[in-house]
Amino acid sequence: GAGVSQSPSNKVTEKGKDVELRCDPISGHTALYWYRQSLGQGLEFLIYFQGNSAPDKSGLPSDRFSAERTGGSVSTLTIQRTQQEDSAVYLCASSLAGGFGEQYFGPGTRLTVT
Amino acid sequence: SQQGEEDPQALSIQEGENATMNCSYKTSINNLQWYRQNSGRGLVHLILIRSNEREKHSGRLRVTLDTSKKSSSLLITASRAADTASYFCATTLISNFGNEKLTFGTGTRLTIIP
Repeated sequence: GAGVSQSPSNKVTEKGKDVELRCDPISGHTALYWYRQSLGQGLEFLIYFQGNSAPDKSGLPSDRFSAERTGGSVSTLTIQRTQQEDSAVYLCASSLAGGFGEQYFGPGTRLTVT
Repeated sequence: SQQGEEDPQALSIQEGENATMNCSYKTSINNLQWYRQNSGRGLVHLILIRSNEREKHSGRLRVTLDTSKKSSSLLITASRAADTASYFCATTLISNFGNEKLTFGTGTRLTIIP
């Protein structure tokens, strides 16, 4: 059975460039979350999608960050004009409808901005 | 901001010993979850305890929750080398969007010495 997948697993980019990170949730999971984890830190909530409802964007750190979820499945997190402080592991998680319970995490994308 | 704070930040014990990690949080919660993270990548859900529960067991794991003290503990009995990982508590609040927003602590780095 497929779990949550993310791509790429690693991304190195130059400061000022845009990057796109992809997340494929578990089939049938309507809730999808993005988190960011800086080195040695806990997880920072970024954004949440639930079905066709408006996403909860309250965790996005700046307007350079955006995310979309097409067809209620695959999600893309876009970071424009990357900065060195954007370097982190970006984790995606999905859960069953309503999200009240266990979240299943992908392996993450390690982003390095040089 | 971090809702949960784990204690200790790092713990090293001999294989076969029991490991205890603690988590404190600040606000009222719906439930509390513990996750394990290997090698700084994806998290794996271990156990969920609801706010009206006081203790829960799963295999070698035992979790307690004291809502009056806003604290939880995770006990791993008869530790194994494979238990070496970072352990995070995550508290769940219902956000204004109706979703379960997980707020993670900074984690406890557990090392099991063979």
